[in-house]
Formats: sequence, structure tokens, C-alpha cells
Amino acid sequence: LAKTTQPISMDSYEGQEVNITCSHNNIATNDYITWYQQFPSQGPRFIIQGYKTKVTNEVASLFIPADRKSSTLSLPRVSLSDTAVYYCLVGDPGRYNQGGKLIFGQGTELSVKP
Amino acid sequence: DTEVTQTPKHLVMGMTNKKSLKCEQHMGHRAMYWYKQKAKKPPELMFVYSYEKLSINESVPSRFSPECPNSSLLNLHLHALQPEDSALYLCASSQGTSDVNEQYFGPGTRLTVT
Repeated sequence: LAKTTQPISMDSYEGQEVNITCSHNNIATNDYITWYQQFPSQGPRFIIQGYKTKVTNEVASLFIPADRKSSTLSLPRVSLSDTAVYYCLVGDPGRYNQGGKLIFGQGTELSVKP
Repeated sequence: DTEVTQTPKHLVMGMTNKKSLKCEQHMGHRAMYWYKQKAKKPPELMFVYSYEKLSINESVPSRFSPECPNSSLLNLHLHALQPEDSALYLCASSQGTSDVNEQYFGPGTRLTVT
């Protein structure tokens, strides 16, 4: 399973764009990159998933360079309610029967200030 | 309905008690999961059920006993727990065996073992 490395914490202010980068140097060909958000005392929430280039949804954008050894989650114009832990995960969703599973790294604690 | 519900929200139990945690989803998902999360740590996978059969047990002590009575329900039976088992227990589900990266999590049960 590909190991991921993220900053432990980040600070931002309301209205700013926040970019959280995740390193995954040993990503495998079939691996996808997935990001989850977790608020205190709640379960994690799926935000976005991608394989290469750029993916955008109503919540965030995910940028993946050609070598796929890193990825960047971009949150546009954050608000106080975006204060949470953000987890980057790398894995092959199709390998479930061969032991594929969701392994959470340490996550990035994002603090948004007024 | 895109919700995973868990009961109870909080549970305090002694080391000689027997209790159960319940999880329910009505999204037609065929894979369900139990995770354990200690404070300031990422969720750790405990068990995976696929089509109501246990498919992954992450070497969890036998004092935790999972059960999947039907495709919508997942239980975790607890017996003779230790204080170090105090944690947030999260249930999750995904559409099927190839969707392990996109899981829907419940709010969790906060367990305290005294």
C-alpha cells in the first residue's frame, strides 16, 4: 500500500484558497487518490477522488501531476466551517478482494481563522 | 437516503459488561466496515463485511465480535473490554467491493471503558 505524507497542520484565514499537498512516491499504476474530511467527533466524509490531471466538484479541486507522486487538494475561499482534518489516501479500489482497504494516514489539521 | 446511522451515540461500560454497537444503512450498499479511532489519530480498520460475510479481520482481539445479520445492519459485540479500548467506533459502508475508496461513515459511538 502506498504511504502518504502530508503536513501535520495548516492555518488559513476566511476567504483564502487553501492548498494541501500530499506526497505518495510509491503510488502504483492502479492506485487512485482520495481525500476525506473529518470534523471533530464525526465520521470522515468523502470529498474527492482522482487518478490523474485535475478533478473538480462542488467542494474542492484535486490536482495530480503527470508523475502522480503527489497531489494537491484545493479548497476555494475557505470559511470557518472548513476547519477539520483532511486525509489523503492512496489505494486501488479494484483490489478489494485481494486485501485492498482504506488506510488513513496522519491527516492535515486545517484551522481557519476569522 | 445517504446516511449511515449508529447507536448509541455514547456508551460507558465496565470491564465485565457485555454491550453491542449498532450500525444501519439503507443505501443498498453491500460492503460494511468497522473502524476504531483514538483521539488525535486516524481511523484504523477493524473489520470488513462483503455481502454479509466477514472478509477482513485486522487481527482484532476476540473481545470484539462483529455480526452482520442482514445487508443493512452491522453490529459490534463487546465483552470484557479494557480501558485502552476506549475510543470512537466508526461504521462505514460502500456500494460494493470495487468502491472501497468511497465510503460513507456514520457519526460514531464514543465508547468509554471504566
